[in-house]
Amino acid sequence: DSGVTQTPKHLITATGQRVTLRCSPRSGDLSVYWYQQSLDQGLQFLIQYYNGEERAKGNILERFSAQQFPDLHSELNLSSLELGDSALYFCASSVAPPSGGLFGELFFGEGSRLTVL
Amino acid sequence: AQTVTQSQPEMSVQEAETVTLSCTYDTSENNYYLFWYKQPPSRQMILVIRQEAYKQQNATENRFSVNFQKAAKSFSLKISDSQLGDTAMYFCASLAPQGAQKLVFGQGTRLTINP
Repeated sequence: DSGVTQTPKHLITATGQRVTLRCSPRSGDLSVYWYQQSLDQGLQFLIQYYNGEERAKGNILERFSAQQFPDLHSELNLSSLELGDSALYFCASSVAPPSGGLFGELFFGEGSRLTVL
Repeated sequence: AQTVTQSQPEMSVQEAETVTLSCTYDTSENNYYLFWYKQPPSRQMILVIRQEAYKQQNATENRFSVNFQKAAKSFSLKISDSQLGDTAMYFCASLAPQGAQKLVFGQGTRLTINP
């Protein structure tokens, strides 16, 4: 158990719909990362938050948005869903701030599998 | 920008054999980290081993070891005495501690250990 909790584990929805994925980081971790893993592909970085602020963006579509709340949990919102959005969405957390050459190991949740029909 | 390449989509070996997974990377950073992650059918991403680029000594974790060739930008994973539980997707990844600290992953190698 990594200590990172993601809900829901599975989600099936239709094209055009909107879903919200939730992530609770490990206790004490201030950084939250979101990654997308399409079928049999490597993980693609979407976005990172540190202590409530967006710090970096990767290949995140405009239809997707995220936020980190004061209690440090994070939500990834996916809207106007398309078939190609079907994927495994991972959240990871880390204790280290995203700068300064310090590194904190990333701990991954079990992922939320989204299926768009 | 960092890139990571895994040229072996699939590999298969017999139990107890030794297997080596290949990974090459490209980065302009002087300070970076390299990782191997395991993703079993349960889909959990599990850190297998990590290597700091400034360390010359290759990292070792029990049956897992790496061959880090900095000049060649190569980072291979050797699994000794392979076990059925080693069956999984293995991802090589790099991270630069400056900036966003995002992990950049390769496409993965599907490793099957046969009884």
